[in-house]
Amino acid sequence: DAGVIQSPRHEVTEMGQEVTLRCKPISGHDYLFWYRQTMMRGLELLIYFNNNVPIDDSGMPEDRFSAKMPNASFSTLKIQPSEPRDSAVYFCASSVLGRETQYFGPGTRLLVL
Amino acid sequence: AQSVAQPEDQVNVAEGNPLTVKCTYSVSGNPYLFWYVQYPNRGLQFLLKYITGDNLVKGSYGFEAEFNKSQTSFHLKKPSALVSDSALYFCAVRDEGNTPLVFGKGTRLSVIA
Repeated sequence: DAGVIQSPRHEVTEMGQEVTLRCKPISGHDYLFWYRQTMMRGLELLIYFNNNVPIDDSGMPEDRFSAKMPNASFSTLKIQPSEPRDSAVYFCASSVLGRETQYFGPGTRLLVL
Repeated sequence: AQSVAQPEDQVNVAEGNPLTVKCTYSVSGNPYLFWYVQYPNRGLQFLLKYITGDNLVKGSYGFEAEFNKSQTSFHLKKPSALVSDSALYFCAVRDEGNTPLVFGKGTRLSVIA
């Protein structure tokens, strides 16, 4: 198995631009999680899905952030418009209920200038 | 609600010496406990978990952790540290329900040759 796949690995953009981060979970996993990691705030859970349905988005910082999971093999996290304080590493993770372990992707390093 | 505390931001240990990275937790009911490791510019990697059974759990790369219910702790240990163990370590907990993992803030382990 290729593991959780995220793209792009690095993204540099200017303030005000739209940013779309992508994630392909491990096949057969029914939970998908989006996290953000910064030095100041550590690892934060933004939103998670079960069977493509958003379960809890209380960690999404603002309305500028949105996430979708149109099917079991693909999810996006969108920031529109982006701001410098959104600069962080964004991780996607997936798991199977009952096995508990979350498997993380390599992350997308976002820099908003 | 569940929570995790990693009281040490940084742990320094000499190569060959035993290491301990501390974690305490708070959860309603029985805890599901995890340790993850993050190497520079990488995603989090699963090390080990405690769900039930023996209090001493063995995991990857020679690491082990001891579940102590009375002290609500789940400290990570290794008998002999390697320079390559230098990384950021995260403890995480969830309860028995369908709630996502709650991660600690992480402890940076530095093993000095």
